Amino acid sequence: AQSVSQHNHHVILSEAASLELGCNYSYGGTVNLFWYVQYPGQHLQLLLKYFSGDPLVKGIKGFEAEFIKSKFSFNLRKPSVQWSDTAEYFCAVNARLAGRRALTFGSGTRLQVQP
Amino acid sequence: NAGVTQTPKFQVLKTGQSMTLQCAQDMNHEYMSWYRQDPGMGLRLIHYSVGAGITDQGEVPNGYNVSRSTTEDFPLRLLSAAPSQTSVYFCASSLLGGDSHNSPLHFGNGTRLTVT
Repeated sequence: AQSVSQHNHHVILSEAASLELGCNYSYGGTVNLFWYVQYPGQHLQLLLKYFSGDPLVKGIKGFEAEFIKSKFSFNLRKPSVQWSDTAEYFCAVNARLAGRRALTFGSGTRLQVQP
Repeated sequence: NAGVTQTPKFQVLKTGQSMTLQCAQDMNHEYMSWYRQDPGMGLRLIHYSVGAGITDQGEVPNGYNVSRSTTEDFPLRLLSAAPSQTSVYFCASSLLGGDSHNSPLHFGNGTRLTVT
């Protein structure tokens, strides 16, 4: 079965620190990859997405992610975090399985940025 | 343009009660889905629909029913609520077209359900 793993459950950083959140998936075929963000008390919003082409994708608010096919990974990065980046981040993989469209989410990583 | 609208925002039920969570979207999206969000487990797909009259089960369908009589609406029904269904429920929709797998989801604001 398709699965998505986010190994960092809770990350605490100081402002201006660099961020990297891991995401690995288990699916051998063509995938589309997403990172969603959920700010406190809000619904999920799309941060960035990878469909094809350049494996380094840039999203909103200075975030970027790199798709490494050989490692089945799609890690999220930001060079310098801000207090306003405090949120929960979800990696998601979209693949066709037995003719069905399926979007599978990871368990999420809670990021806490301290001022 | 309201996007995805979920009602109610909060609900408390007693074990065995039934209720319907409403979801409506005004973006003419063909694909609609229901997720539940639980601590440490991320979002898990309950049911989804690729168009009016078509529904399918997701990862955790037991205890829930859905129907899709119109493109706009996708209600989620709990026939006999159980404490294990205490969760935050999100409805999400997206476009389906020739590149259907690439459409990002648009989420509603969620319904926080407590079953006592």
